[in-house]
Amino acid sequence: GAVVSQHPSWVICKSGTSVKIECRSLDFQATTMFWYRQFPKQSLMLMATSNEGSKATYEQGVEKDKFLINHASLTLSTLTVTSAHPEDSSFYICSASGQGATDTQYFGPGTRLTVL
Amino acid sequence: AQKVTQAQTEISVVEKEDVTLDCVYETRDTTYYLFWYKQPPSGELVFLIRRNSFDEQNEISGRYSWNFQKSTSSFNFTITASQVVDSAVYFCALSEEGNFNKFYFGSGTKLNVKP
Repeated sequence: GAVVSQHPSWVICKSGTSVKIECRSLDFQATTMFWYRQFPKQSLMLMATSNEGSKATYEQGVEKDKFLINHASLTLSTLTVTSAHPEDSSFYICSASGQGATDTQYFGPGTRLTVL
Repeated sequence: AQKVTQAQTEISVVEKEDVTLDCVYETRDTTYYLFWYKQPPSGELVFLIRRNSFDEQNEISGRYSWNFQKSTSSFNFTITASQVVDSAVYFCALSEEGNFNKFYFGSGTKLNVKP
């Protein structure tokens, strides 16, 4: 149980384009989803927390207009990197907690974004 | 200040050796959770354990064991008889009362197990 999927697993895009990453909880209802960013050989940095049906809460220093988060249902959250630039290249990981998986975050497999 | 410190950046052992990964945390809360996650080369974080601050009992799960000591604010992780498949980056994390959803991750320890 407590499986979280992400799509796509990797994406390459041109500078200036927008990229959408999906995060789904497959076997539980995720009342809260989290988006992290991980640079090579570094730890996870929390970008934002989203609760189903409400606006995401962004961590200090994270541009909300740059990283659009939508958590429209209890099983799906999306992260859209708008007008991506090479410095946005990173490993993006989502996690989820909620009914059937409380107090613990279960992580998706991550999405590797490369912006050319 | 770092809330979670994993001082060991990288450890290399030979298969069948025991290895301990250190984790030191800092919090003013009396109620908190501690976690260990494994991140293999594929990238996906795998949940290993969650321990609440009121439960100082050590835990063993197969070849894995965890030693929680509030007196030293440590939550160390030992792998007994390590195997090549244990090679991964291991993260320790803390969540605190007031916002258990917010995880503070350590910088991770990369474990290399050589055959």
